[in-house]
Amino acid sequence: DGGITQSPKYLFRKEGQNVTLSCEQNLNHDAMYWYRQDPGQGLRLIYYSQIVNDFQKGDIAEGYSVSREKKESFPLTVTSAQKNPTAFYLCASSDPRGSSGRTYNEQFFGPGTRLTVL
Amino acid sequence: QQQVKQSPQSLIVQKGGIPIINCAYENTAFDYFPWYQQFPGKGPALLIAIRPDVSEKKEGRFTISFNKSAKQFSLHIMDSQPGDSATYFCAASITGANNLFFGTGTRLTVIP
Repeated sequence: DGGITQSPKYLFRKEGQNVTLSCEQNLNHDAMYWYRQDPGQGLRLIYYSQIVNDFQKGDIAEGYSVSREKKESFPLTVTSAQKNPTAFYLCASSDPRGSSGRTYNEQFFGPGTRLTVL
Repeated sequence: QQQVKQSPQSLIVQKGGIPIINCAYENTAFDYFPWYQQFPGKGPALLIAIRPDVSEKKEGRFTISFNKSAKQFSLHIMDSQPGDSATYFCAASITGANNLFFGTGTRLTVIP
């Protein structure tokens, strides 16, 4: 059963702590993305990776870090430098070459992680 | 700067009504325009998408209308049902560029 999994579903963090959000996909997609969702602001791109061992900053990368050591995994670390980290975080993946037969640029999303800073 | 502008922010319709959600863009290089549907606490899922070589695409009760000269596109939901209550996002991208630029979302409520 192919898809994207994110864990945990809910995460609570004390101020000053770093936390890592997990994202795993078994769709064999090259590209993976992290978005942050806040009410009334839609989805904002944090980081994206087009291939293993390479990633690029998105629109709101400050206070976040990522790694892409394996094709199927793209963890996001929310550092203490992120001033307002409480949000819903979404991971996505896509197959830009279209080899899956699906529409180009279609991004498949995971179920999300809701992070709350206490 | 918002690459894709979406309106309205929220919308309430009666069952059977036809809600319309509008989006506008500036970048004429965009060539792929998807709509995503998101239920509370879930990730968005692709609903329907269109390319600028056609002016309309229909899938079931969902229709995208596309106006290339005006750089606008819209989602129409025919015979809306309470189960359609969700947040809808329009987006735009350039083929091969990976990144999707999302609108700010429209929260739709369909009243029974």
